[in-house]
Amino acid sequence: SAVISQKPSRDICQRGTSLTIQCQVDSQVTMMFWYRQQPGQSLTLIATANQGSEATYESGFVIDKFPISRPNLTFSTLTVSNMSPEDSSIYLCSVDKGGGGGETQYFGPGTRLLVL
Amino acid sequence: AQSVTQLGSHVSVSEGALVLLRCNYSSSVPPYLFWYVQYPNQGLQLLLKYTSAATLVKGINGFEAEFKKSETSFHLTKPSAHMSDAAEYFCSVRTGGSNYKLTFGKGTLLTVNP
Repeated sequence: SAVISQKPSRDICQRGTSLTIQCQVDSQVTMMFWYRQQPGQSLTLIATANQGSEATYESGFVIDKFPISRPNLTFSTLTVSNMSPEDSSIYLCSVDKGGGGGETQYFGPGTRLLVL
Repeated sequence: AQSVTQLGSHVSVSEGALVLLRCNYSSSVPPYLFWYVQYPNQGLQLLLKYTSAATLVKGINGFEAEFKKSETSFHLTKPSAHMSDAAEYFCSVRTGGSNYKLTFGKGTLLTVNP
């Protein structure tokens, strides 16, 4: 398994500002993922972050709005830029562990963001 | 393309009763299937996973799920509900290999009544 921590755990922000969320893993992993969970909804993949390469964004998400860094194999950041109330969500980091076809994604505790 | 359907956005049971949360999947290749649980104000915790070994999978906290290919189902069960089982449950699917993407169902909120 993997132990994942996220900072901050929650924040209240003003519209038009930006927030950077940090994700730290207790072991080296190749693939890290960022998800958004809007109120009362399921999880939606924002992007996949591999160390040493540009993040791969899903349809509907763009780098200018959600820039991602992946400086090493245990750490990643997601920035939510120029925030609006629609960005109020839980943002979750996850990592892939395992192998031989048994890869499993483990999730961090999430960052609860409220934009006013 | 892969997809997941969770029947019932809200399930309510009495303490000690059987828990049954339904999940049907769609996948063009043999899938890997997962159940996650999300307690209030927490992230997702892996309950159990199916990766083409035994079709009956046992997970944590007394939960188990059975993979039925003919029915494209992966329902989650627990013989006797406990108050601490109250949470949101998500079924998810991935098709393995180089496809690392998880597709999640919309979730089922389980309420346990005393």
